[in-house]
Amino acid sequence: KQEVTQIPAALSVPEGENLVLNCSFTDSAIYNLQWFRQDPGKGLTSLLLIQSSQREQTSGRLNASLDKSSGRSTLYIAASQPGDSATYLCAVRHPGAYNTDKLIFGTGTRLQVFP
Amino acid sequence: DTEVTQTPKHLVMGMTNKKSLKCEQHMGHRAMYWYKQKAKKPPELMFVYSYEKLSINESVPSRFSPECPNSSLLNLHLHALQPEDSALYLCASSQGLGLADQRNRNLKQYFGPGTRLTVT
Repeated sequence: KQEVTQIPAALSVPEGENLVLNCSFTDSAIYNLQWFRQDPGKGLTSLLLIQSSQREQTSGRLNASLDKSSGRSTLYIAASQPGDSATYLCAVRHPGAYNTDKLIFGTGTRLQVFP
Repeated sequence: DTEVTQTPKHLVMGMTNKKSLKCEQHMGHRAMYWYKQKAKKPPELMFVYSYEKLSINESVPSRFSPECPNSSLLNLHLHALQPEDSALYLCASSQGLGLADQRNRNLKQYFGPGTRLTVT
């Protein structure tokens, strides 16, 4: 059974710091890994998607890496800002029988960036 | 337009009520999803529809009844819910899934803002 965990569970940092959020998964047979951001009580915003054949993806101040063989992904946030405060979720697309592959979410990291 | 919309934003219902949650997308996506999210927990998959047919039911109690009337709409009918069903219900869509759509497995899922449900 695929299990996805994220560390740390919570993180509080001053503005301007560079951050690393970690995601690990137990079954390396994934199609892709997606990082999401969720503001309190809101829906999910997709940040980056890394295909299983890729090593990393970048968007602005965000960089996500994937090491499928070791079951790990990291999300790097450069020069953090208070507006980055949110919960960050990783999710792996896990294969199943026909028409049953699905996203399995990690436990999330609650990030607070203070001025 | 990369938006998934959900109505209502908030819903309070009694245990004997019948209500429905609605989700809509106009991106031409053929896979749509319902997730349930409890406070400070990750989303948990409930149902998946592919080409308007129910593809996955994650052993959800029958008091939750999904419906996909067309490729743009997804409903979740609620009846005789329990207080522990109170949660944020999220809808999502993606271009496709399944063996026939392997190229679509690397496309993103787009999420709606959710419906905050409280059962009293």
